[in-house]
Amino acid sequence: GAGVSQSPSNKVTEKGKDVELRCDPISGHTALYWYRQSLGQGLEFLIYFQGNSAPDKSGLPSDRFSAERTGGSVSTLTIQRTQQEDSAVYLCASSLVTGGSGNTIYFGEGSWLTVV
Amino acid sequence: AQRVTQPEKLLSVFKGAPVELKCNYSYSGSPELFWYVQYSRQRLQLLLRHISRESIKGFTADLNKGETSFHLKKPFAQEEDSAMYYCALRRTSGSRLTFGEGTQLTVNP
Repeated sequence: GAGVSQSPSNKVTEKGKDVELRCDPISGHTALYWYRQSLGQGLEFLIYFQGNSAPDKSGLPSDRFSAERTGGSVSTLTIQRTQQEDSAVYLCASSLVTGGSGNTIYFGEGSWLTVV
Repeated sequence: AQRVTQPEKLLSVFKGAPVELKCNYSYSGSPELFWYVQYSRQRLQLLLRHISRESIKGFTADLNKGETSFHLKKPFAQEEDSAMYYCALRRTSGSRLTFGEGTQLTVNP
């Protein structure tokens, strides 16, 4: 596709419910990243994938958060038993290769999650 | 561990005035430094990177390893430059970007 695509763009959920956020990276991009953007908190790294494996999950804030990637393409970020502090914009990004000098990381428009 | 600091959360200038957005980093190796910009209601996008030594939309940034800084500069700000600006670092051997907290730039008419 033309860019990184995320869905849903907006999601309002009740506290305690599970949510799934989807990311379609740019075609051919092997590296995929999830970030969280909270008001006043900047951009917080969550996890990255190289192909289908996740060598760095260090940013996941708790075991309620998980992510998977299948077929080296689409990724799903799942938040179980959502809490109000999970409210944020969840950004997905992709790049051609990880760690390569000059490989631009492209971002999606984000999924705005509100937990009420 | 790497860290990026943007000391100004808000910066306001008048159109035509020079603008400098500060960025300092801490990392023991030789990192890659980037500036990303997010205009209102748009996605985060790359503005420039230190390895390219380019000028984009009149903005430049020089990596100063001695001062561990990567300040973003523009000699004459325009109203359309109003946006959130993020400085980011990537380890040459790593992959993810580490971002600063961002600076909201407002250029007044």
